[in-house]
Amino acid sequence: GENVEQHPSTLSVQEGDSAVIKCTYSDSASNYFPWYKQELGKRPQLIIDIRSNVGEKKDQRIAVTLNKTAKHFSLHITETQPEDSAVYFCAATYSTLTFGKGTMLLVSP
Amino acid sequence: EADIYQTPRYLVIGTGKKITLECSQTMGHDKMYWYQQDPGMELHLIHYSYGVNSTEKGDLSSESTVSRIRTEHFPLTLESARPSHTSQYLCASSDITTGELFFGEGSRLTVL
Repeated sequence: GENVEQHPSTLSVQEGDSAVIKCTYSDSASNYFPWYKQELGKRPQLIIDIRSNVGEKKDQRIAVTLNKTAKHFSLHITETQPEDSAVYFCAATYSTLTFGKGTMLLVSP
Repeated sequence: EADIYQTPRYLVIGTGKKITLECSQTMGHDKMYWYQQDPGMELHLIHYSYGVNSTEKGDLSSESTVSRIRTEHFPLTLESARPSHTSQYLCASSDITTGELFFGEGSRLTVL
């Protein structure tokens, strides 16, 4: 089955800095790579996703890159704000999503 | 409004009790899932279903059972709760065309 590794487990940045979270996956058949944000006490929600036929996707301050050859994908958040503080999960799938263990991002004012 | 509804949101019970966590979705999705998550921690898939009369075990061994008699309903049952079952249980469903997973607000279970 699929195995997804996510790093780092915690990330602290100053407001306005950039944050990068990296994930690797094992199954070369995986073709869908979403990122979920979970704020404290709330449900995980999709923030951005990318499919295997695309190398990069941007949505305002967030972007995701995918390197199929190396089997890794990354989340980039620019100009971080305190409301970006949350746990972020990457995932990979061909049929059923496999999640990484999560990254707790703390943005200090 | 299309959403995923979980009840109860919070439950405190004694060891040995039987409990059922309810999950209903008005998203029109065929695939549904149950995840177990300790606060802020990893999401563990415990059960999933492709549709009516389909149930599969996930990656995490669980003493719970599920049923899928109606498309919109996917309840999870613990026959005899133990303190090790204390956790948050998240129900989810997915859009077959996009693959996007939608989560319910969760049921927080405490077993004394």
